[in-house]
Amino acid sequence: KAGVTQTPRYLIKTRGQQVTLSCSPISGHRSVSWYQQTPGQGLQFLFEYFSETQRNKGNFPGRFSGRQFSNSRSEMNVSTLELGDSALYLCASSLTGTVFRGTEAFFGQGTRLTVV
Amino acid sequence: GNSVTQMEGPVTLSEEAFLTINCTYTATGYPSLFWYVQYPGEGLQLLLKATKADDKGSNKGFEATYRKETTSFHLEKGSVQVSDSAVYFCALIPDTGRRALTFGSGTRLQVQP
Repeated sequence: KAGVTQTPRYLIKTRGQQVTLSCSPISGHRSVSWYQQTPGQGLQFLFEYFSETQRNKGNFPGRFSGRQFSNSRSEMNVSTLELGDSALYLCASSLTGTVFRGTEAFFGQGTRLTVV
Repeated sequence: GNSVTQMEGPVTLSEEAFLTINCTYTATGYPSLFWYVQYPGEGLQLLLKATKADDKGSNKGFEATYRKETTSFHLEKGSVQVSDSAVYFCALIPDTGRRALTFGSGTRLQVQP
């Protein structure tokens, strides 16, 4: 079956702009989580959506937001971009989300965002 | 808070050498523990997992045992191949509070022929 699809793969934006990233989870998966990966901070949790509701949120400013649609596809938006937002943004899908022990999360290839 | 500590890399080994990547964690209760692998230009792939104390996760020749007494989940492989070259991440999901993956900083493994 198809894996997790993230689009676009690469983005270059200017400071102050906003950006929207998309994630299509594995068919049948209802949970989508987003992570930011940077060389300095490593992998950090942004938020998790389950059945169109945000179930969990990490410690990121309000400029980072997301949503999930009825088909489980998710979008992540970053407004007023800063240079420090340059990162690889990873999306992970799972059947039920991380509330259940040992839940396996399947990751997409990520979107590489560069802010100049 | 929850945290995962991994050994610094890179780890450079010759093909067929024995691999150990150390991982220790801080979390209350009984978190679920994971090893993920990231190949160049790719996302993360789950390598193995363990959900309770003394569980051993294994996959593709890799093994890790959940040691509650030492709060560790060290990754081992008896004979590495060039194709194992990648970055390895140890991670946990706590069993209370915010249940999201908390990752270690990653350990780069380079296997030379």
